[in-house]
Amino acid sequence: EAGVTQSPRYAVLQEGQAVSFWCDPISGHDTLYWYQQPRDQGPQLLVYFRDEAVIDNSQLPSDRFSAVRPKGTNSTLKIQSAKQGDTATYLCASSPGTINYAEQFFGPGTRLTVL
Amino acid sequence: GQQVQQSPTSLVLQEGENAELQCNFSTSLNSMQWFYQRPGGSLVSVFYNPSGTKQSGRLTSTTVIKERRSSLHISSSQITDSGTYLCALEASMGYKLTFGTGTSLLVDP
Repeated sequence: EAGVTQSPRYAVLQEGQAVSFWCDPISGHDTLYWYQQPRDQGPQLLVYFRDEAVIDNSQLPSDRFSAVRPKGTNSTLKIQSAKQGDTATYLCASSPGTINYAEQFFGPGTRLTVL
Repeated sequence: GQQVQQSPTSLVLQEGENAELQCNFSTSLNSMQWFYQRPGGSLVSVFYNPSGTKQSGRLTSTTVIKERRSSLHISSSQITDSGTYLCALEASMGYKLTFGTGTSLLVDP
């Protein structure tokens, strides 16, 4: 069974530039998460979806970040105008999302550096 | 305050020694998940443990909901165990994970 895949693996931007990250979850997983992990810190949730619906985006900086999952499968996270403080690894995870079993499986991440 | 606290922050062992990593939480719990991460690497799930004790090879996880704690025991440590171990809490009726700050483990030969 294929795991969670993400692309690109690395991105380097100048401040003010835009970037998109793409995630393909494990087949059959209805719940998809985007986390931000600054260097030497634990991941923090940005947004998560169940199927195509956003369940929680309260930690997503809405003025510059957006996330979609239009068909309830793949997802895209976009930063419109990057800042140096956005430098971090962006992790995508998926889970079956059932009440009794919600183990999350993570992709390899996209390491973003904003100069 | 922080919902998930891990200890110790860092740990150095000689190969063959045992390690006990702790995770304490201040909110209700639906499940606890332990992850392993190498520098620059992704998160690898080590245990998904809602309660009780689970064992996989040299690793044992114990979650005691009433005491709001979970532990990860590594026996007979190996150099390849070096890395960061993160615990993450899934609160009752929610599916997002709240992570601890991690324990950095270094196993020397």
